Amino acid sequence: DTAVSQTPKYLVTQMGNDKSIKCEQNLGHDTMYWYKQDSKKFLKIMFSYNNKELIINETVPNRFSPKSPDKAHLNLHINSLELGDSAVYFCASSQDLGGQPQHFGDGTRLSIL
Amino acid sequence: KQEVTQIPAALSVPEGENLVLNCSFTDSAIYNLQWFRQDPGKGLTSLLLIQSSQREQTSGRLNASLDKSSGRSTLYIAASQPGDSATYLCAVNTGTASKLTFGTGTRLQVTL
Repeated sequence: DTAVSQTPKYLVTQMGNDKSIKCEQNLGHDTMYWYKQDSKKFLKIMFSYNNKELIINETVPNRFSPKSPDKAHLNLHINSLELGDSAVYFCASSQDLGGQPQHFGDGTRLSIL
Repeated sequence: KQEVTQIPAALSVPEGENLVLNCSFTDSAIYNLQWFRQDPGKGLTSLLLIQSSQREQTSGRLNASLDKSSGRSTLYIAASQPGDSATYLCAVNTGTASKLTFGTGTRLQVTL
């Protein structure tokens, strides 16, 4: 059973389009995250949610809008895609905000043409 | 602002060698530190988590140490195997909403 699953695994689209990435965790965790890994493989947090409430918004352009319909899901919608948005986006979850290990999905590779 | 650096950036060793990966961070006020491995095209797998009050953690052939006052952690891998080839990342949890700040990674290759 996959603990943290993201769809799609690959996303190729044109500049200016709007796209969504979905994330689901079956670990019963309260906290979920989105990270971005750039072309130099550097990982940086974008957002975190705890029990559907936004906790961290790390100065991400407002073209990125996370949505958490319930605590097992955290989706990422991106409007007006730009070339610089090309990256691998990782979803993660942890039991709560108390510093427990974070568990990552396999990532979504987004390529903007 | 917390900054995390990992040295070396890349490392190649023959199978069977013991090796040490280094991680340093600029702000010693951390909650815990986590070591991950990342295989190509895959997500991150958590290896070890050390709380700020701990000095080391062990799991099988892996041993991670933490010296919070000097802002350093090491990951020791004993008797390396080709299956250990991956990128190793350390990440510091500052305790603020469990935010992880990642290092730059060490790409390890273990050769036959």
